Formats: sequence, structure tokens, C-alpha cells
Amino acid sequence: NAGVTQTPKFRILKIGQSMTLQCTQDMNHNYMYWYRQDPGMGLKLIYYSVGAGITDKGEVPNGYNVSRSTTEDFPLRLELAAPSQTSVYFCASTDRGGVIQPQHFGDGTRLSIL
Amino acid sequence: GENVEQHPSTLSVQEGDSAVIKCTYSDSASNYFPWYKQELGKRPQLIIDIRSNVGEKKDQRIAVTLNKTAKHFSLHITETQPEDSAVYFCAASRSGNAGNMLTFGGGTRLMVKP
Repeated sequence: NAGVTQTPKFRILKIGQSMTLQCTQDMNHNYMYWYRQDPGMGLKLIYYSVGAGITDKGEVPNGYNVSRSTTEDFPLRLELAAPSQTSVYFCASTDRGGVIQPQHFGDGTRLSIL
Repeated sequence: GENVEQHPSTLSVQEGDSAVIKCTYSDSASNYFPWYKQELGKRPQLIIDIRSNVGEKKDQRIAVTLNKTAKHFSLHITETQPEDSAVYFCAASRSGNAGNMLTFGGGTRLMVKP
């Protein structure tokens, strides 16, 4: 049971390039999330998904896109990378239930845009 | 939406002393309050959580208290050790919000001096 797996761990992009951050979980969780964490700051929600085929915007969605074709995978796409998107990106998941369950985080992707 | 404020932003204590971190929230319907510990370069890890039907919860040297009337909750760490040094985040959520989204505080950097 690997939990939440993110790839790559590190990446350097040039301004205007695009890339996809991968996230997969093996816990059969319905809910998945993407956060960004700027240096010395808290986590801000970019997008979330409550199940396959269903996604919605969080607090800071501009410049990002997501898809959820399977329960396991929740990739985050940056189309035109900008320096303001330099950050650490965390994917998380949790189970759906009558009672809120804790979110489980991946190890993060450290992204620098130069 | 929910707003979570966390204080202090930095906290330095002597090994063996206690540390207290406080958070306030704005949405009176919030009913789930987790605390995460994040070591440098690592993922946030859940250390304790509390639900609104209890006022206090303990786990060895860690305790969390909740005051629903005042809309604040606190993390208490007793007999601090150098390995407690990390950034701590509080968060809040409520049942029924789509995707059980968490709103995070800004974090507290705890330094335990040997």
C-alpha cells in the first residue's frame, strides 16, 4: 500500500513551457486534492475532485487544469508556466463517508520556473 | 468561506517546556479540526484531530482543545523534544461541504532548543 504517489519530485521549467504533475493513490479514495505551498506559507487549494469525472475549482485555480478519468489518478496540468507558479505542489486524498476523514498527502513536487 | 488564523507564526521553547499553538476559525458550522506537522522538505503529516462533539483530545504528549463558542482550538505539546521542531498547521472543515475541503492556517514554526 503506497498511499499517495506524486511524480516527478523535482522539476525546473522555463517560462511558457507546459507540464503535467502526476498523482495516484491506491487507497480507493473518492476525494482528491491539489494544493500549492509557497515558501514559508500554508497550503492553498488549487482543485479538488469528489470522484471520477467530477472536478471543481479551489481557492487558486488560475493557470491550472485537472482531470479525473479514474478513481486512482488526478493529474494537474500547467499550460503556460509562469514564475508565480514556482512552488511545492502536494496531492492529497481522503475517503468519502458520513464523518470527515483525514487527508493523506503525497511527498510533493518541487517546481521552479525560470 | 472559512477563514483560519494561526498564532504565533514562530515559537521557540527550551527542551522539556510546553508549547501552545492557537487557531481561530470563522465558520460556525465547521466541525472537524486536524493538526498537521511538516518537517523541512517533507509532506504534512496528521498528528491529531478533533471533532466538534468533544472539547479535548489527548495522544501521549500532544493534546488539542476546542472552544466552539469562541471558535478557537489549540494544540498543546508537553515535554517538548528537539524532534518536535517543525512547522505545524491547523485546519478546519465541515461536513457537507463538497469534497470535505480543508482550510489551513498559515503555520507555526516551532523550534525546540536542546
